[in-house]
Amino acid sequence: DGGITQSPKYLFRKEGQNVTLSCEQNLNHDAMYWYRQDPGQGLRLIYYSQIVNDFQKGDIAEGYSVSREKKESFPLTVTSAQKNPTAFYLCASSGAANYGYTFGSGTRLTVV
Amino acid sequence: QQQVKQSPQSLIVQKGGISIINCAYENTAFDYFPWYQQFPGKGPALLIAIRPDVSEKKEGRFTISFNKSAKQFSLHIMDSQPGDSATYFCAARNQGGSEKLVFGKGTKLTVNP
Repeated sequence: DGGITQSPKYLFRKEGQNVTLSCEQNLNHDAMYWYRQDPGQGLRLIYYSQIVNDFQKGDIAEGYSVSREKKESFPLTVTSAQKNPTAFYLCASSGAANYGYTFGSGTRLTVV
Repeated sequence: QQQVKQSPQSLIVQKGGISIINCAYENTAFDYFPWYQQFPGKGPALLIAIRPDVSEKKEGRFTISFNKSAKQFSLHIMDSQPGDSATYFCAARNQGGSEKLVFGKGTKLTVNP
């Protein structure tokens, strides 16, 4: 089945650590996105990539980094510079113009 | 001008009632308006979408109404069920731009049995 897979589902980070969230899609979509969602809040865009080897900052990119070395993969690194990383992280992809976004099932990151 | 304003923030309806969520936008270049449904702990899923050349689109109990002149669109859930309890996001996209969706802030719907 085609889809978008995020892993792990739950992730715990110690203070000062970098952690990487995985996002893989087999939909042959060109564009991929990372969103952060806090309790009761909407979706805030962190980074997005429209083609391989290219990506742009979203609204809240500080403390995060990404790479897009393959069309299928768009990992997000939460660095120690992100002071409040506890949140639900969502990855999405989009392809043909009529189909909007397909979202993954999310990764819940908690600082311990 | 890139904002999509969604209301209400939360909504409680009785089983069998009609749920109505409204969104407004300013950018007249937006040409695709989807609605997403998100259950707790899950990613949002596309529910229904509309383009500005039609005023209404219906899929089962879910209907989008679109008013181009007022720059507003709304989601109507007929015969609301407890299983519809979720957060709903409206969104809009400018095809002439990066095709990045602009999301509303979401509406938490609770349907009481």
